[in-house]
Amino acid sequence: AQSVSQHNHHVILSEAASLELGCNYSYGGTVNLFWYVQYPGQHLQLLLKYFSGDPLVKGIKGFEAEFIKSKFSFNLRKPSVQWSDTAEYFCAVLMDSNYQLIWGAGTKLIIKP
Amino acid sequence: DTEVTQTPKHLVMGMTNKKSLKCEQHMGHRAMYWYKQKAKKPPELMFVYSYEKLSINESVPSRFSPECPNSSLLNLHLHALQPEDSALYLCASSPTGMNTEAFFGQGTRLTVV
Repeated sequence: AQSVSQHNHHVILSEAASLELGCNYSYGGTVNLFWYVQYPGQHLQLLLKYFSGDPLVKGIKGFEAEFIKSKFSFNLRKPSVQWSDTAEYFCAVLMDSNYQLIWGAGTKLIIKP
Repeated sequence: DTEVTQTPKHLVMGMTNKKSLKCEQHMGHRAMYWYKQKAKKPPELMFVYSYEKLSINESVPSRFSPECPNSSLLNLHLHALQPEDSALYLCASSPTGMNTEAFFGQGTRLTVV
């Protein structure tokens, strides 16, 4: 079955630490890839997206992600996190089989000041 | 205008009440979605409308009744809800097909008492 896995459910980091959140999907066809962020009590915001082309995509707030097709992965990175990055992060994949977004379970990121 | 507008932002209703959630977009998107999101969980797809026709109903109980009066509006009619239906209800819209991005509204936070 098509699925999206986020490896870490909870991540706790200190400010200025580097961040990498994993996202893997199981589907061999064409995909579009997304990372969304949800700050406490707020709505979903798109951080970045990949449709085609350069597999390294840059998003808002200093985030970037790399699509590695051979690994079915789309990991999110940030070189130096801030306290304000505390939020829930969701990876989502749009698959050309049914054009529906499949969501990962989310990663709760806590940044200690 | 890249906004999806949802009203109301908050709603408290009794189990015998009838209420409606509203969603509006003016981006010309022909796909519109209702999602339900519980705290710390990813959004769960409820309904998809494509070209104003219901294309997906993810086995949602009949106490939730969607309606798409035109290409810009999406309603969710609520009747005889249960306390476990309390959640954030998100509306989204997108163009159809691949290489498209879903735009999410800010959600209606529903509490059933």
